[in-house]
Amino acid sequence: GAVVSQHPSRVICKSGTSVKIECRSLDFQATTMFWYRQFPKKSLMLMATSNEGSKATYEQGVEKDKFLINHASLTLSTLTVTSAHPEDSSFYICSARVLPGHSSYNEQFFGPGTRLTVL
Amino acid sequence: ILNVEQSPQSLHVQEGDSTNFTCSFPSSNFYALHWYRWETAKSPEALFVMTLNGDEKKKGRISATLNTKEGYSYLYIKGSQPEDSATYLCASLTGANNLFFGTGTRLTVIP
Repeated sequence: GAVVSQHPSRVICKSGTSVKIECRSLDFQATTMFWYRQFPKKSLMLMATSNEGSKATYEQGVEKDKFLINHASLTLSTLTVTSAHPEDSSFYICSARVLPGHSSYNEQFFGPGTRLTVL
Repeated sequence: ILNVEQSPQSLHVQEGDSTNFTCSFPSSNFYALHWYRWETAKSPEALFVMTLNGDEKKKGRISATLNTKEGYSYLYIKGSQPEDSATYLCASLTGANNLFFGTGTRLTVIP
């Protein structure tokens, strides 16, 4: 149980285009999903916290107009990198937390990540 | 941003050897400490969630201890096997429910 999928796993795009990454909880409902970014040889850095039905909360230094997050249902959150540039090339990974009251509430279940390369 | 550090960054051990690595984190505003196992091209897999000072958890050959007063956790692997090869991540959960990750320890078990 507690499987999170992420699509696509790898994407290459041209500079100036937008890329959408999907994060789905396959066998559980998640009111909260998280988006992380990992630079080479660095730790996972939280970008934003996505709550179903409300606006995402962005970490300091993360441009909300650049990284659009939508959490339209209890099983799906999307991250859209708008007008992507080479510096946006990175590894993006999402996680989902089960509903409050569940025994695993404090755990985050991760997707496998998306490798974005912007040419 | 919380400074969570892991050491060593990488290590190679022979099959059958036991090994351990360290995660250090700020002890203020501590809520929980998470350990994850991350194999290449797969999702990080939760190993342990630890909250209490002195906690010790075990899953098969893997165990972990927690010292919240001094801000460190150890992960132990007994009798390492090649399938244990992975990156082991720790993350500190603050009261704001944000996870701050270390950079991980990459373990390679040589058959």
